[in-house]
Amino acid sequence: GAVVSQHPSRVICKSGTSVKIECRSLDFQATTMFWYRQFPKQSLMLMATSNEGSKATYEQGVEKDKFLINHASLTLSTLTVTSAHPEDSSFYICSASIGGASNTQYFGPGTRLTVL
Amino acid sequence: AQSVTQPDIHITVSEGASLELRCNYSYGATPYLFWYVQSPGQGLQLLLKYFSGDTLVQGIKGFEAEFKRSQSSFNLRKPSVHWSDAAEYFCAVGAEGFSGGYNKLIFGAGTRLAVHP
Repeated sequence: GAVVSQHPSRVICKSGTSVKIECRSLDFQATTMFWYRQFPKQSLMLMATSNEGSKATYEQGVEKDKFLINHASLTLSTLTVTSAHPEDSSFYICSASIGGASNTQYFGPGTRLTVL
Repeated sequence: AQSVTQPDIHITVSEGASLELRCNYSYGATPYLFWYVQSPGQGLQLLLKYFSGDTLVQGIKGFEAEFKRSQSSFNLRKPSVHWSDAAEYFCAVGAEGFSGGYNKLIFGAGTRLAVHP
């Protein structure tokens, strides 16, 4: 149980294009989804928190107009990197939480974004 | 503000040896603590968690962790390491307000475990 998927697993795009990453909770309804960014050999940096049907809450220093988050349903959240540049190349990981007393986050397998 | 410290960036052990990965946290109230493991190029898998109750927590893959409030620690242990345990291990603490539904996690920098045959 508590499986989270991400699509695509890898994406390569040209500078200036936009890329959409999907995060799905496959066997549970996620009240909250999180988006992280991980640089090589570093820890996870939380980018934003999203609750179904409401606007995402972005961490300080994260550009909300560049990293668009949509949480359309209790099983799907999307992250769109707009006008991507090489410095946006990174490993993006989502997680989903059932909420309530558990509050445990279940993580997706990640998406490797490479911007040429 | 909450923080998590994993003092060991890199640890190497021999297969079959015991393992202890250290984690210290800074938090005013009773913390919600987690250990996650990440294999190369993969997402994070939850090993175990501590919310309350018994301070010795059993997890998956033969791992356990002990919450010691007096030392602000939540060290991860395994009695006998297997080659497949080589990975990155992250300790995390629930941010303030965690129990109230605001379930943001604060991660440590991670410890990379290498296992020698």
